[in-house]
Amino acid sequence: EPEVTQTPSHQVTQMGQEVILRCVPISNHLYFYWYRQILGQKVEFLVSFYNNEISEKSEIFDDQFSVERPDGSNFTLKIRSTKLEDSAMYFCASNLDSINSPLHFGNGTRLTVT
Amino acid sequence: GQQVMQIPQYQHVQEGEDFTTYCNSSTTLSNIQWYKQRPGGHPVFLIQLVKSGEVKKQKRLTFQFGEAKKNSSLHITATQTTDVGTYFCAGRSNDYKLSFGAGTTVTVRA
Repeated sequence: EPEVTQTPSHQVTQMGQEVILRCVPISNHLYFYWYRQILGQKVEFLVSFYNNEISEKSEIFDDQFSVERPDGSNFTLKIRSTKLEDSAMYFCASNLDSINSPLHFGNGTRLTVT
Repeated sequence: GQQVMQIPQYQHVQEGEDFTTYCNSSTTLSNIQWYKQRPGGHPVFLIQLVKSGEVKKQKRLTFQFGEAKKNSSLHITATQTTDVGTYFCAGRSNDYKLSFGAGTTVTVRA
């Protein structure tokens, strides 16, 4: 069964540094997402992406965040200047359509900001 | 904005017992999805409910969508250690936004 893959599985960075989290969504999916989960807390929506542009973003997704689909397979989340409170598990997800299809999540990238 | 509330936050269950987790939305939903996240894992889709009053079963799991399409429940019978994890509901509003509940974390006493 096709999977969403994310790299790296764990990223440690210093406060103020830029990080790029990478995702390869399922190949025939059209909608891509980033979610964040602080340890032991709920899954929080960050951003959705369709047709090479952001379709929706949450209040969390401020100017420090950006997303990109640099080629036909990768979907990236960049955090320009990381803060301690950015430490969390970041999940990429994709689905076929935005209305009825379930989300397929990757295994996540654990970001630790020191 | 739409809010999805889930209770209880934690559920400690004796193996073999039943339990129910509840999900309530502040607005009418077009559909509701349930996901399970094992400890250290990622959310995995379990099921989607679309119709008012819909009931679906997956082995020992029974999912229900309320008549008003604002609430849902997941009932697990004869809990097993494999049921350990966090169960999230995610409600899709009529403008297609998907909002996750805070989850119910289930632990099982053998």
